[in-house]
Amino acid sequence: KNEVEQSPQNLTAQEGEFITINCSYSVGISALHWLQQHPGGGIVSLFMLSSGKKKHGRLIATINIQEKHSSLHITASHPRDSAVYICAVKSAGNQFYFGTGTSLTVIP
Amino acid sequence: GAGVSQSPRYKVAKRGQDVALRCDPISGHVSLFWYQQALGQGPEFLTYFQNEAQLDKSGLPSDRFFAERPEGSVSTLKIQRTQQEDSAVYLCASSSTGELFFGEGSRLTVL
Repeated sequence: KNEVEQSPQNLTAQEGEFITINCSYSVGISALHWLQQHPGGGIVSLFMLSSGKKKHGRLIATINIQEKHSSLHITASHPRDSAVYICAVKSAGNQFYFGTGTSLTVIP
Repeated sequence: GAGVSQSPRYKVAKRGQDVALRCDPISGHVSLFWYQQALGQGPEFLTYFQNEAQLDKSGLPSDRFFAERPEGSVSTLKIQRTQQEDSAVYLCASSSTGELFFGEGSRLTVL
């Protein structure tokens, strides 16, 4: 049973394209995180959100609590955006559940 | 320190050896998490500490895995009698206000 499901698993885009990665979860949460992991690199936190929408540069994250769904959007994608994007939710019990990640490749 | 520090970054062990992986969280962070990440997979929860108390160890895959955080700061994940299926990246994360900060991970290869 996966508490967090992400789609797509793999995504290839041309530079400049608008990208959407989706995350659905089945547990009650206090917060949802979007994380970025570059090949061979550590994981960095992009967003932590519990409602609405957040924007940072070309990245936008939205969450719909009623539908238990979140999206991560990348506008004007660039090859340096190539990474694995992971959705993680923090339950009321302070446990984190992770999706398996979406591997994004942006081609110049 | 400025971030979460893990050591060693890479460890090769022969099957049956014991290994110890260290995590230095961000100073003052109460919560500390250990995760196991197999190749091509997302992180899988192993265990969680709040200060020195191990509040959840439900993710530890077997009794060969043991974690401690005796003084509420540095944590050690110990794996006894390593098996090939233990090969993975072991990630440590710390948190204070809910935001997660990850270390670079310790990549364990069991031959």
